[in-house]
Amino acid sequence: DVKVTQSSRYLVKRTGEKVFLECVQDMDHENMFWYRQDPGLGLRLIYFSYDVKMKEKGDIPEGYSVSREKKERFSLILESASTNQTSMYLCATLSVGLAGGEQYFGPGTRLTVT
Amino acid sequence: AQKITQTQPGMFVQEKEAVTLDCTYDTSDQSYGLFWYKQPSSGEMIFLIYQGSYDEQNATEGRYSLNFQKARKSANLVISASQLGDSAMYFCAMREGDGGADGLTFGKGTHLIIQP
Repeated sequence: DVKVTQSSRYLVKRTGEKVFLECVQDMDHENMFWYRQDPGLGLRLIYFSYDVKMKEKGDIPEGYSVSREKKERFSLILESASTNQTSMYLCATLSVGLAGGEQYFGPGTRLTVT
Repeated sequence: AQKITQTQPGMFVQEKEAVTLDCTYDTSDQSYGLFWYKQPSSGEMIFLIYQGSYDEQNATEGRYSLNFQKARKSANLVISASQLGDSAMYFCAMREGDGGADGLTFGKGTHLIIQP
């Protein structure tokens, strides 16, 4: 079974802090994704990565950056957290070989910025 | 324009009844894929079913089936014989093109509540 883990289930940070959300997968998948989920808005893609050191902006990249130094780890960085970044953050992976393109999700990190 | 539209923010259904969750999509790609995910209150996203744009038959997975009407651009999820454990948020999502490396586009979700 694919396992995608996220460093924290719940996180509380103050406005202006630098925040790191970590995602690790154990299936050697090339592609990794960060989404945020807000009530009534569904999931929105923040950033994604095709491979180590590769990154691409998704639909809502403003206020975020990412890092992928190793294939199994994809980090989401909030350089200066703001209250409007309070949300649920979901990491996902994809193996290019899968015909359907199904994504495997981590358990999510619920971030509160005060 | 929204690429994935789920018109039912919430639904209440009696246990053991069949449920249809609506999803319409918008894409100009010939090759695409449609997915349904379930998100219980615990928060994890659970993959339910997939339909490729070139698949001629509707996808089925146990009690889940996908009613794919390509000309109408709809991909409704049908849950037969609903159970209390089916209560959750349900998301329709689309992959445009092949592979899915650019991520999925999600709808806003439908909150399904199964009543005993």
